Amino acid sequence: GDSVTQMEGPVTLSEEAFLTINCTYTATGYPSLFWYVQYPGEGLQLLLKATKADDKGSNKGFEATYRKETTSFHLEKGSVQVSDSAVYFCALSVNNAGNMLTFGGGTRLMVKP
Amino acid sequence: EAGVAQSPRYKIIEKRQSVAFWCNPISGHATLYWYQQILGQGPKLLIQFQNNGVVDDSQLPKDRFSAERLKGVDSTLKIQPAKLEDSAVYLCASSLERGGKTQYFGPGTRLLVL
Repeated sequence: GDSVTQMEGPVTLSEEAFLTINCTYTATGYPSLFWYVQYPGEGLQLLLKATKADDKGSNKGFEATYRKETTSFHLEKGSVQVSDSAVYFCALSVNNAGNMLTFGGGTRLMVKP
Repeated sequence: EAGVAQSPRYKIIEKRQSVAFWCNPISGHATLYWYQQILGQGPKLLIQFQNNGVVDDSQLPKDRFSAERLKGVDSTLKIQPAKLEDSAVYLCASSLERGGKTQYFGPGTRLLVL
């Protein structure tokens, strides 16, 4: 079946540090890939997505590149802020599975001033 | 544009009681999803509707969980009777169509079963 594996957290960084959160996947079909973010007390928000190999999704300074050869979709940001503290979820959907999302376990990011 | 609405935001019940959650998707979104998010885990799909029909309910514990979307708009998820392990956040999401790849999530209902 389809699955997503994320690096376990929490990840603790100082402000302006470089962020990488690893995500790898297995999929029965050709997936679309997503990063969702969940701020404290709030619902899931779509951060970025990529729908085909070598696509780069980007938003709010975050980037992730769809790497089919390594089945990865790592999230990066060059300089994190305290306001980026949240839980980040990598997810995939496969068109022949009704576009249901399969999520990783989430990675908590804590950014200290 | 209004987002996905859910109510209640919080619910505390005792085991063996019943509970119901309500979701109103974004206007015009044909596809509606219910997810269960246990603390410290990623959300897991329970059921997916396309208009008022069920597309996928393979992971719904049908002995105690039920869901409906009678008019193809808002939806209700029910648990009867509740167990301790049902304590979780129940998330509703919607997308424009089944082939639409972006799902928009509501704030969730946090359920605690004592």
